[in-house]
Amino acid sequence: DIVMTQSPTSMSISVGDRVTMNCKASQNVGSNVDWYQQKTGQSPKLLIYKASNRYTGVLDRFTGSGSGTDFTFTISNVQAEDLAVYYCMQSDSYPFTFGSGTKLEIK
Amino acid sequence: EVQLAESGGVLVQPGSSLKLSCVASGFAFSNYNMHWFRQAPKKGLEWIGMIYYDGSHNYFADSVKGRFTISRDNSKNALFLEMNSLRSEDTAMYYCTKGTSTFDYWGQGTLVTVSS
Repeated sequence: DIVMTQSPTSMSISVGDRVTMNCKASQNVGSNVDWYQQKTGQSPKLLIYKASNRYTGVLDRFTGSGSGTDFTFTISNVQAEDLAVYYCMQSDSYPFTFGSGTKLEIK
Repeated sequence: EVQLAESGGVLVQPGSSLKLSCVASGFAFSNYNMHWFRQAPKKGLEWIGMIYYDGSHNYFADSVKGRFTISRDNSKNALFLEMNSLRSEDTAMYYCTKGTSTFDYWGQGTLVTVSS
């Protein structure tokens, strides 16, 4: 199975900051990585698909990049409503696998 | 509007069986592969399995392979997850989603608790 190593586990940041989180795949997954946001008590929400494509309606503060084994997700000008856990997921091969998540906390 | 509604989650004892349902609306259900995911309490997301749009193929995570089966009834826009030999570690919120590899619609989930 492909292991997705996500870092950091958590981040405490201030409104207006820029945050970056990373996922490293244990083998080449091409561009087959999506990023999801999950707020407390809610279902996951798709933000970025195929590494760098912003899903419909997602604000341009959210960006993704990378290919192969290394992927980055960035939130610019973080807002209080961005408080959530963010997950990467590879869909290159079954079983699809997730990173362990990055919990974003607002100072 | 795409809607996915999971149901069937309850409290069961270890070793029991349970069948979850997901009723879909707002899209051509029979044209889409369908997937099940789960999330244990305070844990991360886990993909557990999928079924092709026509029911011809399944794939499962190792953690559930041989115990869980996925089926569908395209005439009723319904997806099913049959779970056997349930263990405490199967305690989770279970979600259904549609798509091949990118999942833009998720249900609200149904909670399965496995405990004696």
